[in-house]
Amino acid sequence: DIQLTQSPSFLSASVRDRVTITCRASQGVAGYLAWYQQKPGKAPKLLIYGASTLQSGVPSRFSGSGSGTDFTLTITSLQPEDFGTYYCQQLDTYPLSFGGGTKVEIK
Amino acid sequence: EVQLVESGGGLVQPGGSLKISCVTSGFIFSGSALHWVRQASGRGLEWIGRIRTKNNNYATTYGESVKGRFTISRDDSKNTAFLQMDSLQTEDSAVYFCARASPLYSSRDSFNYFPLDVWGRGTTVTVSS
Repeated sequence: DIQLTQSPSFLSASVRDRVTITCRASQGVAGYLAWYQQKPGKAPKLLIYGASTLQSGVPSRFSGSGSGTDFTLTITSLQPEDFGTYYCQQLDTYPLSFGGGTKVEIK
Repeated sequence: EVQLVESGGGLVQPGGSLKISCVTSGFIFSGSALHWVRQASGRGLEWIGRIRTKNNNYATTYGESVKGRFTISRDDSKNTAFLQMDSLQTEDSAVYFCARASPLYSSRDSFNYFPLDVWGRGTTVTVSS
């Protein structure tokens, strides 16, 4: 099974900061990686798929990059509504798997 | 509007069974794969399994922690998917989400990916004596 390791597990940043979250896969997943945002008590929301394609309606301050085993989610200018927990997911090999999550707090 | 609504969660004793549902609307259900994901309180997301479409023989795949105990099915005439959970254990306590997998195009790679693009709000299953 493919393990996904996210870092950091927690980060606290100020509005307008640039934030970077990384996701490392235990084996290559090509571009079959998605990023989700989850707010407390809510369902996850798809942000990025195919490692770098922005889902419709998601603000352009979110971007994704990477291929193979190393991926990055970047928020170029953090906004107050961006708090929550971010998860990566690999869709290359079954069983599918999620990273452990990165909780983002607004200072 | 695309919607997925889970129901049927509740309290069940260890060793018991429960069947939860995912009723969908606003899209062609029969043409979409459907996934189940769970989240224990204060924990991360865990992929449980998925069911493909009729064209793909309703093929199912499961995560290791539920294989042999959980069964996913679907009724395309009712736009509904189901998760039958048997031999439940306390560690199965979680919020259970259903999610649609849709073909989404990547211009960078010139083909479709199938991420989980729409999710339900979840239903809570508690396994306790």
